[in-house]
Amino acid sequence: GQSLEQPSEVTAVEGAIVQINCTYQTSGFYGLSWYQQHDGGAPTFLSYNALDGLEETGRFSSFLSRSDSYGYLLLQELQMKDSASYFCALNRDDKIIFGKGTRLHILP
Amino acid sequence: EAGVVQSPRYKIIEKKQPVAFWCNPISGHNTLYWYRQNLGQGPELLIRYENEEAVDDSQLPKDRFSAERLKGVDSTLKIQPAELGDSAVYLCASSFPGQTQETQYFGPGTRLLVL
Repeated sequence: GQSLEQPSEVTAVEGAIVQINCTYQTSGFYGLSWYQQHDGGAPTFLSYNALDGLEETGRFSSFLSRSDSYGYLLLQELQMKDSASYFCALNRDDKIIFGKGTRLHILP
Repeated sequence: EAGVVQSPRYKIIEKKQPVAFWCNPISGHNTLYWYRQNLGQGPELLIRYENEEAVDDSQLPKDRFSAERLKGVDSTLKIQPAELGDSAVYLCASSFPGQTQETQYFGPGTRLLVL
């Protein structure tokens, strides 16, 4: 089977940098995705890593290390609007398997 | 361009009653997904369609859940009869053929409360 582990909650200060980690157990997958979901809203695609290394998209970066079964999402210059839940997801066999999500709290 | 449309946005029913959810994907997106999201959890795939064919329904509780996508565009998910444990948000998503599977576009979801 496959499972993903994320911290349930993370708190950071506006303007700071925060890293949300994701570890997984699976035997083969295409890539690791990250989605953002505001309360009452739809999950929105943020980033995808097919290969090991860092992918940068504006204030958001995502990293994958297949040898360590580990990835993370890095959010820089945090804004209050970044308060949301963040899900890592494994892309495997034409389906996406989501983690339970990390709720990010941002303090002014 | 319009995103994924779902209706209704909210539904409250009593247990043992039937309920149906509707989804219209983004135009040109041949792949359609139904997910269920429980509070504090990530979305869980119920069924995936490629055009009108259900290619993965392994997680769909077939004793009470059914889905259809007759013309390969919009789709309906039905629960009959509903149980208390079915209270959740039901999300529809779509993706473009040929695009790698990392990007799915989600609708706003239908929040179901079973009393």
